[in-house]
This record gives sequence, structure tokens and C-alpha cells, in this order.
Amino acid sequence: KAGVTQTPRYLIKTRGQQVTLSCSPISGHRSVSWYQQTPGQGLQFLFEYFSETQRNKGNFPGRFSGRQFSNSRSEMNVSTLELGDSALYLCASSWALREQYNEQFFGPGTRLTVL
Amino acid sequence: AQSVSQHNHHVILSEAASLELGCNYSYGGTVNLFWYVQYPGQHLQLLLKYFSGDPLVKGIKGFEAEFIKSKFSFNLRKPSVQWSDTAEYFCAVYSSASKIIFGSGTRLSIRP
Repeated sequence: KAGVTQTPRYLIKTRGQQVTLSCSPISGHRSVSWYQQTPGQGLQFLFEYFSETQRNKGNFPGRFSGRQFSNSRSEMNVSTLELGDSALYLCASSWALREQYNEQFFGPGTRLTVL
Repeated sequence: AQSVSQHNHHVILSEAASLELGCNYSYGGTVNLFWYVQYPGQHLQLLLKYFSGDPLVKGIKGFEAEFIKSKFSFNLRKPSVQWSDTAEYFCAVYSSASKIIFGSGTRLSIRP
């Protein structure tokens, strides 16, 4: 079974631009979560989608948004990029909504650099 | 606000040494607990998890963790580490109030 895939793997943008990251979950998984990983802050939860609906949201500004499609694929968008948005963005999928019952499977991440 | 603390940011051990990585959380309700590992150049993967029952849980590659509710702790242990255990280890806590929160991670370096 193929794992979680994320595209692109690397991105370089400049301040003020916007970016869209893509995540394809493991086949059959309906929950997709996004995380920001930085050396100083560790992993921080961005949001979670299930059946095309955002079910949970972390403490990030409105510049960070996402969506999920009917095939469970998900995209994350960051508008008006800031230098501090440079990070590894991880996507994780699981077959049910709640972490309580199912582990999350992580993708390789998208390394975003904002200049 | 709920939080997860991993007090050791970088641990350096020799092969065959015993390992204990600390994880403490702040939430008085029901929690699910996880340890994830990220080997160099690889994806984050689940090491072990605790939902209920026996507070001593065993995971992959000889790792285990003990949930001590009174201490709000879920420390990771391994009796004898190998060079291949070099990685970053993340503790994570799930609660209905805060959903999933990860600790800041502990980098483990093993000297061959």
C-alpha cells in the first residue's frame, strides 16, 4: 500500500507570495491532518479534515487555510508569506477522525523556504 | 492551556547504554499518549501508543513506555540502545479538549 505523498518536496518563495501544498493520503484513509515542524517549535498542529470538512484547527492565523477533496486528497494554502513561515510542513492521514483510535501515518513533508 | 514537555533536547549515549526520555503533559482528563520517531531522512513513524489498560506499553524495536497518571508522565525507555536508534523522538498527547499536541522533540545521538 502506498504511503502518504506530498508535493512538492521543496519550495522556495519570497515574502508576500502565496503557496499551495498538496497531500495524498493512504488509500482508504479519510482523515488528513497538517502540521508545521520547525527546530524551535517542534510539531504544531495546523488543522484536520475529514470527509471534506475541517474538524479541528490549531492556533495559526487565517493566512493558513486548507481543504479536502472528495477523494480525501488535501491541499494547504498559505497566503502573504512571512519569513517565519519557513518550515517543514507535514501531512498525516488516518482512517478515522479521532487520534484516539488510530495512529497517524506521516508523509515526507514539504520543505518551504521563504526569502 | 494544555502542554507537552520533553525536557531533554539532546541526549548523547554510547551503544548498549540504557535510555530514558522524559515526557510530561498538563491535562487532568482522559488522554491518549504516543511516541513517534523520526530517523534521519525518514518520515515520522509511530513507536508506541497508550490508550487504556496496562500502563506499561511495548512498541517496536525494543522500546517501551510507562504511563504514570499521578505524575502526568509517559517516559520512553530502552534497556540497551543501538547506533541505529539515532533519531529524533516526539511525545504526543491527545485529549478531547486539545486534540493532538506534540512535544518539542528529543534528539538522540548514539556513539558507536
